[in-house]
Amino acid sequence: EVQLVESGGDLVKPGGSLRLSCATSGFTFNSAWMSWVRQAPGKGLEWVGRIKSKTDGGTTDYGAPVKGRFTISRDDSRTTLYLQMNSLKTEDTAVYYCTTDWPGLGGHWGQGILVTVSS
Amino acid sequence: QSVLTQPPSVSAAPGQKVTISCSGSSSNIGNNYVSWYQQLPGTAPKLLIYENNKRPSGIPDRFSGSKSGTSATLDITGLQTGDEADYYCGTWDSSLSDYVFGTGTRVTVL
Repeated sequence: EVQLVESGGDLVKPGGSLRLSCATSGFTFNSAWMSWVRQAPGKGLEWVGRIKSKTDGGTTDYGAPVKGRFTISRDDSRTTLYLQMNSLKTEDTAVYYCTTDWPGLGGHWGQGILVTVSS
Repeated sequence: QSVLTQPPSVSAAPGQKVTISCSGSSSNIGNNYVSWYQQLPGTAPKLLIYENNKRPSGIPDRFSGSKSGTSATLDITGLQTGDEADYYCGTWDSSLSDYVFGTGTRVTVL
């Protein structure tokens, strides 16, 4: 059974940093492309970014609102996905979901973790 | 502001059919696969349809997807009270180099 468990959510001040983790199991993590998707309170879904498998280059892509501030990385030995968030803004307040990109983007989702950016 | 437009809400009686549209452009739906997601209240989204019309294992065939030109459609037949949820379309946008989601549609079972 595929399992994705996010952690690291917190209340942080504007301009601060936070790192989210997504512990995975139940599938071959090192060959999986992975994404982060977020959802602001009462709003729709927004793609944050993705990381390809190392065999496919391990490259990352980001949505425009977070480009240059957020970094996605992976530790295949720990089957864990990360989201480093810097220069946080109030508009980054959202539930952040870790997802697999198979069979399509969002093939499997974690339960989500709340990040609140507020002074 | 999303580049994929969905109706805010649709509704029908139990057992009936609803159709949800997703309108885009040549840079997204017109040249890329479309997926559909269901988000039940208070839960994480779930993939319903990928590559326009394929269902992941465990998704009943009451849910079907199609694509024509720059629009996509999700049909739900034999509507059940458990289908009350928000539904989103999604696809890659080649111009933006972003994955984009639709505005979302709330399905209500009357």
